[in-house]
Amino acid sequence: GAGVSQSPSNKVTEKGKDVELRCDPISGHTALYWYRQRLGQGLEFLIYFQGNSAPDKSGLPSDRFSAERTGESVSTLTIQRTQQEDSAVYLCASSLQGFGNSPLHFGNGTRLTVT
Amino acid sequence: DQQVKQNSPSLSVQEGRISILNCDYTNSMFDYFLWYKKYPAEGPTFLISISSIKDKNEDGRFTVFLNKSAKHLSLHIVPSQPGDSAVYFCAASEYGGSQGNLIFGKGTKLSVKP
Repeated sequence: GAGVSQSPSNKVTEKGKDVELRCDPISGHTALYWYRQRLGQGLEFLIYFQGNSAPDKSGLPSDRFSAERTGESVSTLTIQRTQQEDSAVYLCASSLQGFGNSPLHFGNGTRLTVT
Repeated sequence: DQQVKQNSPSLSVQEGRISILNCDYTNSMFDYFLWYKKYPAEGPTFLISISSIKDKNEDGRFTVFLNKSAKHLSLHIVPSQPGDSAVYFCAASEYGGSQGNLIFGKGTKLSVKP
């Protein structure tokens, strides 16, 4: 399919372990976003990429969170030393350029559960 | 402090009637607004948007109204259909949609009853 693909779809991990979440954006989309949605909450912005650089990292909750993007394509979100409060659905989205005339296209998310 | 607020967590409407979903914002710098629709276990999908230079945008059964002085926008769905049952998120940006992040509300769950 031509949509945004995220893997894994579900991840259960023990507290203290590291996890890596992957996002494959729509081909040709220059902008890539990571959001998360905790239970009962709205979508919380984490980080935004334009090409391979991240002009806005303001939403990363702590230094345990990092993200990178390579080849203006795949992005990985890494959470080190996971905590129970990291449990959430992590959503990736891409757009052609910003979202004014090309709104964000979201993947189905990765549901992360930290036990 | 929430910059985008959807004060109604849920709304129930009869099929064929109008659904009105409301959203308030606090940041006067927001100049671009969007509505997204989300089904369970899926990512949000874009529905409709409006720039602050307009007060209304219509797309088929969906119309978004913007009242800048009240910092309020609403989404009208007419006529409502059972397939419209989903969570609706309001989102806003202060960059005219050109870059940066979107600020989302917590969502309103719409149930359209046959």
